Amino acid sequence: EDKVVQSPLSLVVHEGDTVTLNCSYEVTNFRSLLWYKQEKKAPTFLFMLTSSGIEKKSGRLSSILDKKELFSILNITATQTGDSAVYLCAADTYSGGGADGLTFGKGTHLIIQP
Amino acid sequence: NAGVTQTPKFQVLKTGQSMTLQCAQDMNHNSMYWYRQDPGMGLRLIYYSASEGTTDKGEVPNGYNVSRLNKREFSLRLESAAPSQTSVYFCASRFARDYEQYFGPGTRLTVT
Repeated sequence: EDKVVQSPLSLVVHEGDTVTLNCSYEVTNFRSLLWYKQEKKAPTFLFMLTSSGIEKKSGRLSSILDKKELFSILNITATQTGDSAVYLCAADTYSGGGADGLTFGKGTHLIIQP
Repeated sequence: NAGVTQTPKFQVLKTGQSMTLQCAQDMNHNSMYWYRQDPGMGLRLIYYSASEGTTDKGEVPNGYNVSRLNKREFSLRLESAAPSQTSVYFCASRFARDYEQYFGPGTRLTVT
């Protein structure tokens, strides 16, 4: 059974801190790892990672994938209160790898205190 | 572009009632999905339609049916609602496998 595990499940930090969110996966026919941000409504896409060791960056957010150790991290530097959200990690599979559709972790609930 | 739209936004049902959740996308995507999100459980795939004319079960299909009405629309039907189906339902779409999914705003369903 495909599995995605995120840690920590919740995290409270102060504005300006740097945070690292973790995601490990055990997925048959793994294709890519995706990160989404969810703020009480629809998840919004952040990153898709398919290759090991190549960092993807968008402003203060960055993410990297390790396909050997089967994990990914999402870093947020100089956090702001607007970064408060649930961050979801999801694994996607190749065609022929079972059901089309993403396997999600339970999410990390990040709270940034002023 | 409206992206992915869902109706209704909220619904309260009594046990045994039926209803259909509607989803539409205007991005010319081929694949569409229904997920449910429960507290502490993440999103779980109910059904999906990889292309127009096809539908398949996901991880938690029991108690649900779907219809891919055309390329734009994918509906989810609860024939006899149960309290265990109280959840937030998200529709999503993507151009094809290997692309990111885009999500609708969700439908909050309560079954009493």
